[in-house]
Amino acid sequence: DADVTQTPRNRITKTGKRIMLECSQTKGHDRMYWYRQDPGLGLRLIYYSFDVKDINKGEISDGYSVSRQAQAKFSLSLESAIPNQTALYFCATSDLGGVGIDTQYFGPGTRLTVL
Amino acid sequence: GEDVEQSLFLSVREGDSSVINCTYTDSSSTYLYWYKQEPGAGLQLLTYIFSNMDMKQDQRLTVLLNKKDKHLSLRIADTQTGDSAIYFCAETPYYGGSQGNLIFGKGTKLSVKP
Repeated sequence: DADVTQTPRNRITKTGKRIMLECSQTKGHDRMYWYRQDPGLGLRLIYYSFDVKDINKGEISDGYSVSRQAQAKFSLSLESAIPNQTALYFCATSDLGGVGIDTQYFGPGTRLTVL
Repeated sequence: GEDVEQSLFLSVREGDSSVINCTYTDSSSTYLYWYKQEPGAGLQLLTYIFSNMDMKQDQRLTVLLNKKDKHLSLRIADTQTGDSAIYFCAETPYYGGSQGNLIFGKGTKLSVKP
């Protein structure tokens, strides 16, 4: 079984709709992240959470919101989707407790298309 | 701000060596990473190097770090078609006693021709 799962894997929606992307992990990690990937732009950080009570904006948080329902679950919402939010979205987890290697474990991605 | 730069494409013949280069701007980086993304999949950590090292070898992979020039490279020996993927360089800056989040480059798409 995958350690980091994302649902849905693919979603097509219309402009103005509310969309929620979900991420679950079984690794027991405290840290969770949401990234978007666009061709030629690499990965950009949307939001991150270091524990259930800690939510932080990343590089490109405008138009997005998140909810950390439990240590294992981190959801990304688009309140009113727009076409330039069409992208591949990745959830990741890590367990960096202090100084050390910040290995991030990625989910398989959600391909979102906003028409 | 921090920036990580990579060329976007690299094409090699099967059996040749591949060298993927990366430059970064933040001299406080403690760890530098190479992630691999195969088609249709998420990213997986391939290897990493601590900033006080200048070389790390792991089977077909060799990572070279030139801290003075802030240059990182990944060499894949005897490149195979299964190595075709996007390779991301990433760093973690170090601020005020703690590590920042990963900063990714845009990724280098490696194409291996038979």
